Amino acid sequence: AQSVTQPDIHITVSEGASLELRCNYSYGATPYLFWYVQSPGQGLQLLLKYFSGDTLVQGIKGFEAEFKRSQSSFNLRKPSVHWSDAAEYFCAVGGSGTYKYIFGTGTRLKVLA
Amino acid sequence: DTAVSQTPKYLVTQMGNDKSIKCEQNLGHDTMYWYKQDSKKFLKIMFSYNNKELIINETVPNRFSPKSPDKAHLNLHINSLELGDSAVYFCASSQDQGVYGYTFGSGTRLTVV
Repeated sequence: AQSVTQPDIHITVSEGASLELRCNYSYGATPYLFWYVQSPGQGLQLLLKYFSGDTLVQGIKGFEAEFKRSQSSFNLRKPSVHWSDAAEYFCAVGGSGTYKYIFGTGTRLKVLA
Repeated sequence: DTAVSQTPKYLVTQMGNDKSIKCEQNLGHDTMYWYKQDSKKFLKIMFSYNNKELIINETVPNRFSPKSPDKAHLNLHINSLELGDSAVYFCASSQDQGVYGYTFGSGTRLTVV
């Protein structure tokens, strides 16, 4: 069955610290993988995507993610977190021939000043 | 110039009423979606239209009826509203089966009292 797991419901980091948000997926074919960010009261904004090529992808706002097929993971990273990064982060998976993407349950990031 | 716009942003209504949410995208995308986000932030797809054709129809009560008059518009009509329908409803659009990701609207918070 297709699924996305974000093991961490909440993560708290200090401003300036590094960040890694975990995402594990289960998908029968080559996956398309995405990270989205949702600020309070807002819609979701695409941070980055992977569907082929280099397994380390760069996104907006200084985020990057690495696709590891052997681990079925697509973890999101940022070397130095800013207070404005506090938000909810969603991982999503889909594939060729499907319009339907499955979202994880989200990780809420809190940033301490 | 908003890419995906939803109206209204907030909707408070009584049980049993009928209401509609409208969505418009000016990105020239060929596919539009309705997602429901519950109080735990879980995102679940409801419907999708590709060039005005219904392509995804998840297990949703038939009180919910989408309508796509053209590929830039996707509306959601809900009959006989129930308390459990309270949620945030997101419209989204994509091109090429979403391989480049979705663009989301800012959401409609529906509260049924």
